[in-house]
Amino acid sequence: EVQLLDSGGGLVQPGGSLRLSCEASGFSFSAYAMSWVRQTPGKGLEWVSSLSRTGAITYYADSVKGRFNISRDNSKNAMYLQMNSLRGDDTAVYYCATGGDNSIHVYWGQGTLVTVS
Amino acid sequence: EIVLTQSPGTLSLSPGERATLSCRASQSVSSTYIAWYQQKPGQAPRLLIYGPSSRATGIPDRFSGSGSGTDFTLTISRLEPDDFAVYYCQQYGSSPQTFGPGTKLEI
Repeated sequence: EVQLLDSGGGLVQPGGSLRLSCEASGFSFSAYAMSWVRQTPGKGLEWVSSLSRTGAITYYADSVKGRFNISRDNSKNAMYLQMNSLRGDDTAVYYCATGGDNSIHVYWGQGTLVTVS
Repeated sequence: EIVLTQSPGTLSLSPGERATLSCRASQSVSSTYIAWYQQKPGQAPRLLIYGPSSRATGIPDRFSGSGSGTDFTLTISRLEPDDFAVYYCQQYGSSPQTFGPGTKLEI
């Protein structure tokens, strides 16, 4: 069974940092590009960042470019999102998902809530 | 970026009825790169349709997608109680990929 387990969310003050993690199981993680997608009541679903199967190529939404860093460790079947200089409008549920930049997202994690306040 | 607009915002129907959900793009999107997701409260989105008429694994044939250019449609032929949820369209043909604001399908 494919599983994506998001974690690392929480309450952080503006300007602070958080590191989200996504642990994958049940599929060949290294064969998939991966993404982070966030959801807020006001803005709905918003693509945040993606990276290639090896992690060598990364993509970011303009809203997070320069503040967030996406990475992966295929030996651990894990993906990460380092979020720095957090702002109130970064408050959202963050989902990890299979599929990269300009791709469908077949499998999703359960989401982890980030609150910047 | 391509902005997606979905209508109606809320659709009230009964089980057994046919649902037609619309997704309009601010500029032309290759029909190959439109997808639809279903989301229930407290759950992650679930992929239903992509490309724009291919069903994801396990999705019943009551769900179908169509459209081209800037206008796309998700049709649910005979609503079942489990279908009442929020539906989102996504375009993934142009960077950045974007999602519509959703249509809430309610009983």
